[in-house]
Amino acid sequence: EIVMTQSPATLSVSPGERDTLSCRASQSVSSNLAWYQQKPGQAPRLLIYGASTRATGIPARFSGSGSGTDFTLTISSLQSEDSAVYYCQQYDKWPLTFGQGTKLEIK
Amino acid sequence: DVQLVESGGGLIQPGGCLRLSCVASGFTFNNYEMGWVRQAPGKGLEWVSDILGSGSTMWYADSVKGRFTISRDNGKNTVSLQMNSLRVEDTAIYYCARAIRTYSQAFDIWGQGTMVTVSS
Repeated sequence: EIVMTQSPATLSVSPGERDTLSCRASQSVSSNLAWYQQKPGQAPRLLIYGASTRATGIPARFSGSGSGTDFTLTISSLQSEDSAVYYCQQYDKWPLTFGQGTKLEIK
Repeated sequence: DVQLVESGGGLIQPGGCLRLSCVASGFTFNNYEMGWVRQAPGKGLEWVSDILGSGSTMWYADSVKGRFTISRDNGKNTVSLQMNSLRVEDTAIYYCARAIRTYSQAFDIWGQGTMVTVSS
């Protein structure tokens, strides 16, 4: 099983700042990497797939990069509504696996 | 609107059975691979199972293999998860989700989830 490790576990940033979340795979997943945002009481929302392709309706301030084992999600100009837990997920090999999540708090 | 609506959750004793259903609308259901993802209270996301659009191939997490069965009825736009021999550790919100395309299991549409509680 591919283990996905996200860092940091929690993050507190101010509105307007730029932030980078990291995700590392225990073996190469090529570009088969997705990012999700989950707010309390809600289902996850797909942000990025294919490591760098924004999903439909996702604002341009969300961007993804990386391939192989190291990936990043960058959120530029953070807004209060970006407060959420962010998960990465690999879909290169079965079983599909998620990272443990990064909790992003907006000060 | 593209939508997934789950049902069938509830409180069940350990060793019991439960069947979850997910009804899809707003898209051509049989063109899409579908999956189930669960989330234990206060925990992260865990993939459970997937099924191809044709229903010909299914995949399972090791934690549920042999106990859970995924199926679909393309005539009724429904995907189901039959859960047998339930354990306390199966307690979670179960989400139905659509894969963005076949063999690319980034899930772009999610249901609201249905809660399953396994407890005596």
